[in-house]
Amino acid sequence: QQQVKQSPQSLIVQKGGISIINCAYENTAFDYFPWYQQFPGKGPALLIAIRPDVSEKKEGRFTISFNKSAKQFSLHIMDSQPGDSATYFCAASSGPGANNLFFGTGTRLTVIP
Amino acid sequence: ETGVTQSPTHLIKTRGQQVTLRCSSQSGHNTVSWYQQALGQGPQFIFQYYREEENGRGNFPPRFSGLQFPNYSSELNVNALELDDSALYLCASSLDLAGSSYEQYFGPGTRLTVT
Repeated sequence: QQQVKQSPQSLIVQKGGISIINCAYENTAFDYFPWYQQFPGKGPALLIAIRPDVSEKKEGRFTISFNKSAKQFSLHIMDSQPGDSATYFCAASSGPGANNLFFGTGTRLTVIP
Repeated sequence: ETGVTQSPTHLIKTRGQQVTLRCSSQSGHNTVSWYQQALGQGPQFIFQYYREEENGRGNFPPRFSGLQFPNYSSELNVNALELDDSALYLCASSLDLAGSSYEQYFGPGTRLTVT
């Protein structure tokens, strides 16, 4: 059973465009929602994270939008660059010190120059 | 600040053998979690260690076991290897301060191939 559902599976965006990746969850106990970026042959790198007490968080070109009532959250990458080409994973966990991150299935982003 | 390191980088084993993977936590972190990432999939939680004891376990059989040492480094042991154990094994460290920490930082992983 997939606790976090992620879409699309793959995404192709022109340089300078906006990349949008969506995730949905069912477990209302989740209260921490990070996004990870993974390059081939590397481990996932924490990109940005949000708690459900805010609806949006922005760090540089990366923004998380969070809709608690719909149980959905999304990652927006503004001014996408070829260097952003990677696989992006959303995840969720519950409780402080939560030991289990539930990951989505990943989105392979390709930014065309 | 030293990040999470893992060894070895790659490993090839035969079905039925045993393997030990190693992880050094990021400086200052006291909690280690292990994940299995099959090709084309998201990481799946195996277990977590805090204060040298297992602190949560995912849906993995007992032949997956671990240790955490006083310096917070950790080992993942897998017995009776199966072909489906072929995956990237990731270690993540975090700082648990009275239950107030969420962020997990991953190492580069160990690519295990079982033939």
